[in-house]
Amino acid sequence: DIVMTQSPDSLAVSLGERATINCKSSQSVLYSSNNKNYLAWYQQKPGQPPKLLIYWASTRESGVPNRFSGSGSGTDFTLTISSLQAEDVAVYYCQQYYGTLLTFGGGTKVEIK
Amino acid sequence: QITLRESGPTLVKPTQTLTLTCTFSGFSLTTNGVGVGWIRQPPGKALECLALIYWDDDERYSPSLKSRLTITKDTSKNQVVLTMINMDPVDTGTYYCAHRRKVNREWGTFDYWGQGTLVIVSS
Repeated sequence: DIVMTQSPDSLAVSLGERATINCKSSQSVLYSSNNKNYLAWYQQKPGQPPKLLIYWASTRESGVPNRFSGSGSGTDFTLTISSLQAEDVAVYYCQQYYGTLLTFGGGTKVEIK
Repeated sequence: QITLRESGPTLVKPTQTLTLTCTFSGFSLTTNGVGVGWIRQPPGKALECLALIYWDDDERYSPSLKSRLTITKDTSKNQVVLTMINMDPVDTGTYYCAHRRKVNREWGTFDYWGQGTLVIVSS
C-alpha cells in the first residue's frame, strides 16, 4: 500500500489568512505515461461524508471556490486555502488513487484562531 | 444525478458477521470504467478504504482486512454488498460507499459518496 502522511495534524488560522496543509506519499503517485499525479484532496465537516475538492493534485472540482488550490508532484503535495473563511473549518484529507487500493492521509483539522 | 445510500445494522455483536448494502442510482455497474468502493471511519479517526468492485467484476481489498471481507454486486438491483466477518469493537465506525469512474480513459477518484451508516460493535 502507498502510505500517505499529512502535516500538521491541526492548525489554527485567522479569518482571511492563508492555511497550508502538506501531504507526502511513500512512493511517487506521478504516472509517467500521462504525466498526471493521482492525488486528491477532500474536505470533511462533522457529520458529513468527505467532499472532493481537488483531483490530479491541482484541478478543482466543479463548484469549489478558487481560494482552494493544490500543488506538488511525485511524492510531495500541498493544499492551500488562500483566505480562510468560517465555512472552511473542517478536516482535510489527501488521498492517492495511483495504487490498486486508494489510501488516505491521517487528516488535518483546520480551525479559526 | 448520482446518489448512493448505505444500509445495514447499527449494532452488531463481537464475532458476528456484518452485511452492508450500498444502493445507488444515476449510474450502472455494467458500464465500462465504473467502480464502487467501501470506506470506513472510526469515530474521530481517518478514512480507510476497505474494498472496491468494478464493472468487470475485478475486486480489490485492503491487504490487512482481506481475509475478513467480501464485496459483491447485484447489477439488477443497483447494489453493492460488503460482508465483514468476525466483527470486533475496533471495527466500530461510519461506513461509506462511494462511486469511482474513468474519465477520458483515466481512473479518477471517489467523486460521489453516500451519507454513511454508523456501525457499533458491542456485546
